[in-house]
Amino acid sequence: EPEVTQTPSHQVTQMGQEVILRCVPISNHLYFYWYRQILGQKVEFLVSFYNNEISEKSEIFDDQFSVERPDGSNFTLKIRSTKLEDSAMYFCASWGRGPGYTFGSGTRLTVV
Amino acid sequence: SQQGEEDPQALSIQEGENATMNCSYKTSINNLQWYRQNSGRGLVHLILIRSNEREKHSGRLRVTLDTSKKSSSLLITASRAADTASYFCAARGDDKIIFGKGTRLHILP
Repeated sequence: EPEVTQTPSHQVTQMGQEVILRCVPISNHLYFYWYRQILGQKVEFLVSFYNNEISEKSEIFDDQFSVERPDGSNFTLKIRSTKLEDSAMYFCASWGRGPGYTFGSGTRLTVV
Repeated sequence: SQQGEEDPQALSIQEGENATMNCSYKTSINNLQWYRQNSGRGLVHLILIRSNEREKHSGRLRVTLDTSKKSSSLLITASRAADTASYFCAARGDDKIIFGKGTRLHILP
């Protein structure tokens, strides 16, 4: 069964450093998403991406965040200057007009 | 937002019993989806119910949707230890889904 792949599974970074979280969506999907889940809390929408541009973003997705689809397979989330409160699980998802979204296993980001 | 809110927040039942989780949302939706999350893992899509549907079944899962009350329920019948997980409803309005806070389900042996 097709999967969404996320790397790395766990990343530890110093506050103020830039991080790039990587995702390989399902190849024939056209819609891509990033969500995050702070430990023990709900899953929050960050951004949706379609046709090589952001289609919607939440209040969380401020100027420190950016997304890119640099080639035909990767979909990345960049945080320019990480803060302690950016520590969370980050989930990538893709959708191809099927019944539901397909989520990756997540990247656990720890900012110290 | 079309945020979903589940209740109860946590539920413990004996193996073999049925588990019912409820979800409410705020705005109009195209569909409502339920996802499962094992501890520390990703989200797995379980079932989707469209706004013009009232009930849907998939294996041991039964989902209902009441658009007049903006609510949905997920019933897991004949629960098993492997059903222990968090369950989230997710309301889809335009092109994104908004998750509720989830119900932590614990199946007791």
